[in-house]
Amino acid sequence: GAVVSQHPSRVICKSGTSVKIECRSLDFQATTMFWYRQFPKKSLMLMATSNEGSKATYEQGVEKDKFLINHASLTLSTLTVTSAHPEDSSFYICSARARDILAKNIQYFGAGTRLSVL
Amino acid sequence: GENVEQHPSTLSVQEGDSAVIKCTYSDSASNYFPWYKQELGKRPQLIIDIRSNVGEKKDQRIAVTLNKTAKHFSLHITETQPEDSAVYFCAASSVDTGRRALTFGSGTRLQVQP
Repeated sequence: GAVVSQHPSRVICKSGTSVKIECRSLDFQATTMFWYRQFPKKSLMLMATSNEGSKATYEQGVEKDKFLINHASLTLSTLTVTSAHPEDSSFYICSARARDILAKNIQYFGAGTRLSVL
Repeated sequence: GENVEQHPSTLSVQEGDSAVIKCTYSDSASNYFPWYKQELGKRPQLIIDIRSNVGEKKDQRIAVTLNKTAKHFSLHITETQPEDSAVYFCAASSVDTGRRALTFGSGTRLQVQP
């Protein structure tokens, strides 16, 4: 199956710093990538939808100036958590939607990034 | 927007028994329903999916049924094994137009007792 690589897997940072998370589709072109946040023992909550070459679409309640998303190519999207605070500590996970001929909406997930803000 | 509800939140079965997880959705425009399995600390893995033009799909021990009229779909796992223990998420989205992002259910923690 398709592979989505997400880095880093774990990051610990001081409050006030910015953290960049990368999401790459390794063997397919991703027309759309999605960024989710997952709290312990909870479901995945969509933060934003990232389309290549255009601005991301953010879900209600997600601050676009705090969570900067850039989708510069069909294989790479980045999420930057700016001026991170302890409440931003969470598990962030991306997914990539494959452009395929079966007209499905299959999304392949990255391994996630556990962010801890001290 | 879409709202997906999932039940039960936890499910414990004996090895060899069947497990059933149920989900309902609210948006009649949704027409793609995947199920993901997430083991502790791992990424969600797609295990089976169904489109709204079929009512049932089976893949070995796993099957999914869809009732489009009632807006609910279910995951059935037969002959459960300890390695089936994980959190299972249902999701809904639209393939064609509208919301393509997946809306996830709250998850079901399945524990298969050996």
